[in-house]
Amino acid sequence: QVQLVESGGGVVQPGRSLRLSCAASGFAFNIFGMHWVRQAPGKGLEWVSKISYNVTQKSYADSVKGRFTISRDNAKNTVYLHMNSLRTEDTAVYYCAKDGGGPADFWGQGTLVTVSS
Amino acid sequence: EIVLTQSPGTLSLSPGERATLSCRASQSVSSSYFAWYQQKPGQPPRLLMYDASSRATGVPDRFSGSGSGTDFTLTISRLEPDDFAVYFCQQFGSSPLTFGGGTKVEIK
Repeated sequence: QVQLVESGGGVVQPGRSLRLSCAASGFAFNIFGMHWVRQAPGKGLEWVSKISYNVTQKSYADSVKGRFTISRDNAKNTVYLHMNSLRTEDTAVYYCAKDGGGPADFWGQGTLVTVSS
Repeated sequence: EIVLTQSPGTLSLSPGERATLSCRASQSVSSSYFAWYQQKPGQPPRLLMYDASSRATGVPDRFSGSGSGTDFTLTISRLEPDDFAVYFCQQFGSSPLTFGGGTKVEIK
């Protein structure tokens, strides 16, 4: 079955960097796009970024553009989110999700990122 | 950016009742690029509906979706205890992808 396991979250000071990872299994990772979606505590969902199956297309929310970078390693079945210049408003649970040809059809359990001094 | 506005914010209903959730888009969205998700406390979202009206795998037929253009609806015909959760709509036809703010369906 499809499994997505995020890691790399934690507490980080404003202005610092963090890299999230999402290990995928149970499906042909190299033919599906992948998303990162975040959810601030007690809030709704915010789409963060998407990467195509072959890395040729990447897109970002305006709130993270220029600070976050999405990447993937198809040999390792892993997608990454490199987060630089972190702000307190980036505090959230970060989910990776498989792109099911449009909607996100499978989601990981998420990893919590807390940006605080 | 396409803004999705969900209403009501909270829906208080009893098991067995019908729930009607609304999602209005600030610009027209193709129904092929519209989805609904369900989220329970402490869990990730779960895809419920795609193409506005197609149920995802394993979703019971008491859930139905409809709509086009700027107005979309998720209907739960008879609420089961497991259905009390937060529901989000999403459009993925235009970047940035956007979600609605959510509707919480709570037990009355």
